Amino acid sequence: GAVVSQHPSWVICKSGTSVKIECRSLDFQATTMFWYRQFPKQSLMLMATSNEGSKATYEQGVEKDKFLINHASLTLSTLTVTSAHPEDSSFYICSEGDRGYGYTFGSGTRLTVV
Amino acid sequence: SQQGEEDPQALSIQEGENATMNCSYKTSINNLQWYRQNSGRGLVHLILIRSNEREKHSGRLRVTLDTSKKSSSLLITASRAADTASYFCATDDAGSARQLTFGSGTQLTVLP
Repeated sequence: GAVVSQHPSWVICKSGTSVKIECRSLDFQATTMFWYRQFPKQSLMLMATSNEGSKATYEQGVEKDKFLINHASLTLSTLTVTSAHPEDSSFYICSEGDRGYGYTFGSGTRLTVV
Repeated sequence: SQQGEEDPQALSIQEGENATMNCSYKTSINNLQWYRQNSGRGLVHLILIRSNEREKHSGRLRVTLDTSKKSSSLLITASRAADTASYFCATDDAGSARQLTFGSGTQLTVLP
């Protein structure tokens, strides 16, 4: 099956700085990847759909200037949290796949903004 | 918005017992999927059941789907301590451009 590598697994940053999270599809050319956010003991909330070679599609309420998504190749999508604040602290997970067959998720990134 | 509601929110059982988790949803679906998440990790796809299927098995997992009641259940038989995790249902909603809609999850603890 597909393998998705997400990096880093955890990051601590100072308030006001930017953090980049990478998501790589190791054995599959993913034209579309998905970014989720998960708060402790809660479910996943889709943030945006990353499209290779074009602009990402953001869910309602997600600030596109805050969460920059780049999908420059078929194997790499990145999420940059710009000017991070403590309320951005969360667990971010990427995935790729097909709604009709199931998704493969990355291992997630724990972001802590201090 | 979260369509799926899972029941119970938390379940604690002894090793060897069976664990049953339920998921209810509100709209018509193309399929329903179950995922497992170990603490602090990504999700792992367990099983997918299509809207025209009623039951599906995979190893110690059994999933049922009742589209008339808009509900699904996940049964884990002969549970092991390693089954301790959160389990989420997710629906592929018919007629929707959205991707999967995840339920609220059930935290399963299997005691050795």
